[in-house]
Amino acid sequence: DQQVKQNSPSLSVQEGRISILNCDYTNSMFDYFLWYKKYPAEGPTFLISISSIKDKNEDGRFTVFLNKSAKHLSLHIVPSQPGDSAVYFCAASSNDYKLSFGAGTTVTVRA
Amino acid sequence: DGGITQSPKYLFRKEGQNVTLSCEQNLNHDAMYWYRQDPGQGLRLIYYSQIVNDFQKGDIAEGYSVSREKKESFPLTVTSAQKNPTAFYLCASSRSGQTYGYTFGSGTRLTVV
Repeated sequence: DQQVKQNSPSLSVQEGRISILNCDYTNSMFDYFLWYKKYPAEGPTFLISISSIKDKNEDGRFTVFLNKSAKHLSLHIVPSQPGDSAVYFCAASSNDYKLSFGAGTTVTVRA
Repeated sequence: DGGITQSPKYLFRKEGQNVTLSCEQNLNHDAMYWYRQDPGQGLRLIYYSQIVNDFQKGDIAEGYSVSREKKESFPLTVTSAQKNPTAFYLCASSRSGQTYGYTFGSGTRLTVV
């Protein structure tokens, strides 16, 4: 039973525009949320995170929004760049520090 | 440079054989993890270890075994009991209690031939 869901397997966006990636979760015990970026044949790398006590966290072009009541978070990338083309995983954890991952969204940034 | 190293990058296994995937880290991290990636299913936790000589099953541990004899090393054995072992395997490490500090290796692609 997947506790973290990314319902959009792919997203295509024009360079310079905004990319919005969505993630839903079912476990109300999750209190920390992360986004990872992954290129083919490489391991994921940490991108940005947010604690459940916040509703927004921003780091440069990347912003994560958390809506606890809806059990929903989103990642905004503005502006999108060609190097952003990758698979993005949403992940969540509770106090046991194990990460549960979504299925990933493949982002393609078109020139 | 500190990091986490997985070897080999590609591995081929005949049906019925056991194979061992290596994972070594020099980050002085206490916790280590093994994940499996399949298309459309994201990363699923196989085993994890918070300290040396101790490890716990994750969500899909059947057909796998691990050991944690040294802090730096967390090898994963894919046994013949694993019915569908073809996948991309990722090892990660972190400081205990720091989920945001996961560092991943570059992965091993295992294919059954």
